[in-house]
Amino acid sequence: EVQLVESGGGLVQPGRSLRLSCAVSGFTFDNYAMHWVRQTPGKGLEWVASITWNSGAIGYAASVKGRFTISRDNGKSSLYLQMNSLRLEDTATYYCVKDGGEKRISGRGYYFDFWGQGTLVTVSS
Amino acid sequence: DIQMTQSPSSLSSSIGDRVTITCRASQSINTNLNWYQQKPGKAPKLLIYGASTLQSGVPSEFSGGGSGTDFTLTISSLQPDDFATYYCQQSYSIPYTFGQGTKLEIK
Repeated sequence: EVQLVESGGGLVQPGRSLRLSCAVSGFTFDNYAMHWVRQTPGKGLEWVASITWNSGAIGYAASVKGRFTISRDNGKSSLYLQMNSLRLEDTATYYCVKDGGEKRISGRGYYFDFWGQGTLVTVSS
Repeated sequence: DIQMTQSPSSLSSSIGDRVTITCRASQSINTNLNWYQQKPGKAPKLLIYGASTLQSGVPSEFSGGGSGTDFTLTISSLQPDDFATYYCQQSYSIPYTFGQGTKLEIK
């Protein structure tokens, strides 16, 4: 059974940092691209970042580029999102998401086939 | 950025009805279009990818079609479990954008 479990969310002041982690099981982590997607009641679903199976290609939404860093540790079957310089508008539920295509080298055609339960990040003073 | 526009934003239908939700992209995305279902308090669930390929385990009452800029998600006969919010998402180019959602409610 595929499982993705996020952790690290919480309440943080604007300008501070937070690191999200996602521990996965039930599939060969090394073979799949991974993603972070966030959701707010007001803005709906927003793709945040993606990383290929071998970390060879990484992409970010413009709203987080330069502040957030996605990374993975294939030896630990874990995905991370380092979030710096947090803003009020980063408040959201963050989902760790598995890509559906094995060893994909291009981002075109990505599809998000398994999602974690989400972790809430609240940025507030 | 590619804008994804869904219609309608909300829909009231009855058990057994045939329902179609449309999604329009602001530019051609070939068939790089995915559909998700989300229920309150839960993560989205993949229904269809590549515009028309049914994800494993998804009931056959769901089907997807279209290419280029216009796409549809059809539920052939609504079941009680189908009342949820549906999102389309393009994976043609970064940023991978979602539609605003279509909330399907019981009439």
